[in-house]
Amino acid sequence: GAGVSQSPRYKVAKRGQDVALRCDPISGHVSLFWYQQALGQGPEFLTYFQNEAQLDKSGLPSDRFFAERPEGSVSTLKIQRTQQEDSAVYLCASSLAEGSYNEQFFGPGTRLTVL
Amino acid sequence: LAKTTQPISMDSYEGQEVNITCSHNNIATNDYITWYQQFPSQGPRFIIQGYKTKVTNEVASLFIPADRKSSTLSLPRVSLSDTAVYYCLVGDMGTGNQFYFGTGTSLTVIP
Repeated sequence: GAGVSQSPRYKVAKRGQDVALRCDPISGHVSLFWYQQALGQGPEFLTYFQNEAQLDKSGLPSDRFFAERPEGSVSTLKIQRTQQEDSAVYLCASSLAEGSYNEQFFGPGTRLTVL
Repeated sequence: LAKTTQPISMDSYEGQEVNITCSHNNIATNDYITWYQQFPSQGPRFIIQGYKTKVTNEVASLFIPADRKSSTLSLPRVSLSDTAVYYCLVGDMGTGNQFYFGTGTSLTVIP
């Protein structure tokens, strides 16, 4: 079956622009996670949804970052007024059940470059 | 939030068994130990998960001592396609939703 998909795969933005990154989780998966991965580093947790509820957003680096999952399926990560330090790969993952101990299925990521 | 420490890199010849050890001294009672594999330009992929003792699947084995302050991922007879970054994570069973990936261990398999 289809895995987690993310779009766009690559995004170039000028500093100060707003961007929106989309994640389509595996159908039926309850949990959805966003991570930020800088070059040469491991993924860093940003936020977590259980269905449409955002249960944890403690990893969002600033109030310029906003995530939503209004119908409990597709999720969007929005970054306002992008800065160069926002350049990274943004990974989305979903898991079948609630709780972080369940296997997470990752998408290929969106590589964001802020000029 | 339990953090983990792993070797930054390892090299191995094809056909050898590779053991990657991870330290997680402040692991909590409810934490599971999970290992992921990541190839360049791809998202991480689940390898194995365990709580205590030993877990084995078709890909790897996971050894967890009684005190659970460390764990060892064992990859039998590695091939060139096992060259990747391997991450050890600890996560709360039910309520904790953060995973600390760290920098992982970059494994290079040499022909």
